[in-house]
Amino acid sequence: EPEVTQTPSHQVTQMGQEVILRCVPISNHLYFYWYRQILGQKVEFLVSFYNNEISEKSEIFDDQFSVERPDGSNFTLKIRSTKLEDSAMYFCASTQSDRGYGYTFGSGTRLTVV
Amino acid sequence: AQKITQTQPGMFVQEKEAVTLDCTYDTSDPSYGLFWYKQPSSGEMIFLIYQGSYDQQNATEGRYSLNFQKARKSANLVISASQLGDSAMYFCAMREGNFGNEKLTFGTGTRLTIIP
Repeated sequence: EPEVTQTPSHQVTQMGQEVILRCVPISNHLYFYWYRQILGQKVEFLVSFYNNEISEKSEIFDDQFSVERPDGSNFTLKIRSTKLEDSAMYFCASTQSDRGYGYTFGSGTRLTVV
Repeated sequence: AQKITQTQPGMFVQEKEAVTLDCTYDTSDPSYGLFWYKQPSSGEMIFLIYQGSYDQQNATEGRYSLNFQKARKSANLVISASQLGDSAMYFCAMREGNFGNEKLTFGTGTRLTIIP
């Protein structure tokens, strides 16, 4: 079964450093998303991406965050200058163009900012 | 107002019994979708079941079924014959928005523990 692949599975970084979280969506999917889950809390939408541009972003997705699809397969989330409160699990997801089915999450990257 | 409400923070169920996890939602969009995901302690989000707002029948996937009551705006997950491996967090989520921009809004989750 097709998978959304995320790397690394766990990343520890120092406050103020830049991090790039990587995702390989399912190959025939067109819509890409990043979500965040702070430990013990619910999953929150960060950003959606289609046709090489951001479709929608949440209040959480401020100027410190950016997304990119640098080639035909990767989808990245960059945090420019990490803060302690950026520590969370970050999930990438992708969907096909039809609604509903096919909304698949990756296994997540656990980001720890120290 | 919360768009997705899960009122059961935790549940304990005896193995082999059926369990119902509650989810109510709030939307004015006539076209929406409801998802259930399982999150084991390892952290990944595992898709369980999906119900579209126009689907005539309740969704079923193996031991999972979704009790969809549109007028009540509820989408409860039913797990039949529970197993020890069902112990996990369970999240209800709703898709809204324009075609192709299908962000999900999640509830706060229910932690299910299956007792041997």
